[in-house]
Amino acid sequence: KNEVEQSPQNLTAQEGEFITINCSYSVGISALHWLQQHPGGGIVSLFMLSSGKKKHGRLIATINIQEKHSSLHITASHPRDSAVYICAVSKGGATNKLIFGTGTLLAVQP
Amino acid sequence: KAGVTQTPRYLIKTRGQQVTLSCSPISGHRSVSWYQQTPGQGLQFLFEYFSETQRNKGNFPGRFSGRQFSNSRSEMNVSTLELGDSALYLCASRGDYPQETQYFGPGTRLLVL
Repeated sequence: KNEVEQSPQNLTAQEGEFITINCSYSVGISALHWLQQHPGGGIVSLFMLSSGKKKHGRLIATINIQEKHSSLHITASHPRDSAVYICAVSKGGATNKLIFGTGTLLAVQP
Repeated sequence: KAGVTQTPRYLIKTRGQQVTLSCSPISGHRSVSWYQQTPGQGLQFLFEYFSETQRNKGNFPGRFSGRQFSNSRSEMNVSTLELGDSALYLCASRGDYPQETQYFGPGTRLLVL
């Protein structure tokens, strides 16, 4: 079993829909990261969470440490949100090492 | 500040050759990590460096090696290339602890024929 599980693997939405991507992990962590990867490869860090909730524009990320679960929400989705969204965890200390989920491929249709 | 840069962006090699990839972190960042991304295995951690010292290494064969220079620039080397080494190689830099956000470069896409 992977240490970081994401669902769904693929998601198709209509423009304007509310989208939720889920991430569960089975290890102790110091932080959880949500990353975005557009076709072509570049990865952008969207959020880093150790507790609670963060919001940036139309994106909201939450984490429940007790349940070892995080969600990424996109409100009023737009075709430019189409990308792969990746959940990753860092185990703490000074190490950089990230453990990644398999990613969610999101396609937002106009 | 300039972002993380990686060179070259694309590379084609043949089996048995070796390759060196370069990563320049964000100015002031002393931590550099390398990751391999393939369609089959997804993103996997290769190794990380901090102030010229390898701090952690992923589960990859000894053909994969790296180093970091005093200016924090890092290189990774893959010797005796195999077809399965075809991948996108990403590096990421991070500020000093307790900062945890990693900033990724655009990647080097390696194709082994």
